[in-house]
Amino acid sequence: QVQLQESGPGLVKPSETLSLTCTVSGYSISSGYYWAWIRQPPGKGLEWIATIEHNGNTYYKSYLKSRVTIALDRAKNQFSLTLRSVTAADGALYFCARFTGPCFDYWGQGILVTVSS
Amino acid sequence: EIVLTQSPGTLSLSPGERATLSCRASQSISSRQLAWYQQRPGQAPRAIIFHASSRATGIPDRFSGGGSGTDFTLTISRLEPEDFAVYYCQQDGTFGQGTKVEIK
Repeated sequence: QVQLQESGPGLVKPSETLSLTCTVSGYSISSGYYWAWIRQPPGKGLEWIATIEHNGNTYYKSYLKSRVTIALDRAKNQFSLTLRSVTAADGALYFCARFTGPCFDYWGQGILVTVSS
Repeated sequence: EIVLTQSPGTLSLSPGERATLSCRASQSISSRQLAWYQQRPGQAPRAIIFHASSRATGIPDRFSGGGSGTDFTLTISRLEPEDFAVYYCQQDGTFGQGTKVEIK
């Protein structure tokens, strides 16, 4: 059974850097597929942020590209999200997910991030 | 960048009724790229349809998807209480804004 679990701080100060980690169990991230971050502001819809292939190729939401980095940690079977210079608009429920090509088939439960001083 | 527009924003129906949700793409897309998700309150989204018309594992056959080009639909033939949720369509890195199916 594939499982994903997000971890990281729930509170980040404006202008600082948000770092989140997704721990994957039941499947090796090096074996295949794509690994993604998606966020959802409170009461709003889903927004894809970034995807990394098992081979390390990366894809970013165009307007976030200058502030975002996604990376793999094969040894720990984890992937991460770094979002720099955060503002209140970056406050959201952040999900990690596996993308098989047709769809995001496995999701983490989400981690709520608030941006506030 | 492709934009996906879902309609209606909210669908008010009773259990047992049929729900038809629409997803329109700003330009033609491959049906192999179109997926639908269900999100219940407090839960992560769950894939229910991929390749526009294929049901994901464990999804009951009252859910069906169809369409091609720019117009896609998700149909729930007879609404069960657990089907009242928000539904999103998705193509690559784009999600529609969602349709809420609520109890009338």
